[in-house]
Amino acid sequence: DIQMTQSPSSVSASVGDRVTITCRASQGISSWLAWYQQKPGKAPKLLIYDASNLQSGVPSRFSGSGSGTDFTLTISSLQPEDFATYYCQQANSFPLTFGGGTKVELK
Amino acid sequence: QVTLQESGPALVKPTQTLTLTCTVSGFSLSTSGMRVSWIRQPPGKALEWLARIDWDDDKFYSTSLKTRLTISKDTSKNQVVLTMTNMDPVDTATYFCARVSGFGELFDSWGQGTLVTVSS
Repeated sequence: DIQMTQSPSSVSASVGDRVTITCRASQGISSWLAWYQQKPGKAPKLLIYDASNLQSGVPSRFSGSGSGTDFTLTISSLQPEDFATYYCQQANSFPLTFGGGTKVELK
Repeated sequence: QVTLQESGPALVKPTQTLTLTCTVSGFSLSTSGMRVSWIRQPPGKALEWLARIDWDDDKFYSTSLKTRLTISKDTSKNQVVLTMTNMDPVDTATYFCARVSGFGELFDSWGQGTLVTVSS
């Protein structure tokens, strides 16, 4: 199975900050990576697919990059509604696997 | 509008079999390319993919849970069913069903999830 490792596990930030989350795959997955946002008590929401493509309706302050084994999710200017937990997911091969999550908290 | 809705027992006893149903609307399970997965999330922990079923009845399972899982569908009812045998307290989690995106093995629509607690 492909292991997905996210860092940091949590980050404290203020509104307007730039936040970067990283995700590393245990083997190469090309660009087959997705990012999700999850708020407490809610289902995850797809933000980015194929490492860098923004899902329809997702604000442009979210961006993704990377290929192979190393990926990043960047929020260019953190908004109040962005405080949540973020997960990466490899879409390269079965079984599909998720990262451990990164919680973005208010500083 | 695409919706998915999970249903099933909130509480099961250890060793029992869990049966969960995902009722979908806004798309047909028989349409070429349609695929639905089950994903779970223990309280305060990360997401774990469990299984997927395709429009043509292809099935895929988690490596670690494949001996305990069965996924099936009833196209006439627009339902996907997941059974998990020999439930244990560590299986306590919120169970989500999700539609697989046309962009690949990722999930563009999710149900709200159903919390299943395993306890005697």
